[in-house]
Amino acid sequence: AQKVTQAQTEISVVEKEDVTLDCVYETRDTTYYLFWYKQPPSGELVFLIRRNSFDEQNEISGRYSWNFQKSTSSFNFTITASQVVDSAVYFCALSADSGNTPLVFGKGTRLSVIA
Amino acid sequence: DAGITQSPRYKITETGRQVTLMCHQTWSHSYMFWYRQDLGHGLRLIYYSAAADITDKGEVPDGYVVSRSKTENFPLTLESATRSQTSVYFCASRRGVNTGELFFGEGSRLTVL
Repeated sequence: AQKVTQAQTEISVVEKEDVTLDCVYETRDTTYYLFWYKQPPSGELVFLIRRNSFDEQNEISGRYSWNFQKSTSSFNFTITASQVVDSAVYFCALSADSGNTPLVFGKGTRLSVIA
Repeated sequence: DAGITQSPRYKITETGRQVTLMCHQTWSHSYMFWYRQDLGHGLRLIYYSAAADITDKGEVPDGYVVSRSKTENFPLTLESATRSQTSVYFCASRRGVNTGELFFGEGSRLTVL
């Protein structure tokens, strides 16, 4: 079975601080995909990144970066120099080649960035 | 406009009533999904569909019925609504089952009194 754990329920930081959102996953599949989604206060779900299990290179997109480590089954998300607009709920998700559940989400981490 | 749309966006109903949430996508994506979002639970899969006339249960299917007679539509029906079904429901689509990202609708907030 697939499982995603986001241990941090809520995080609060002051603007311009760096913040890391943790994501730990479980799967028996060797081929799988990891995702991050953002849900701002307006409620829509916005896709941020997809990573497949064979690509362990870290990725950076502007102030966002992702650290994928298969050895610890983690796919952490870091926001550098956080801004108020980063305030949102962030979901980590897992999709594997086998199993009946196409995409399994973690419970989300609510990030509040205070000006 | 192209994309994935849900209706109604907001619905209040009473226990025991039947409610249908509509989902329409214009990309001709094969796969469509229904999730519910509840505080403390994140997003949980209710049902999904791999193509027209093919549906499968997700994590929390009890109390829900789906159909998919056309590729672009994937309605979700609560045959006899219960208070525990008060939630925000998200429809999503994607081309393949595992590889691509999900594209989500804006959500339908359902309150069952």
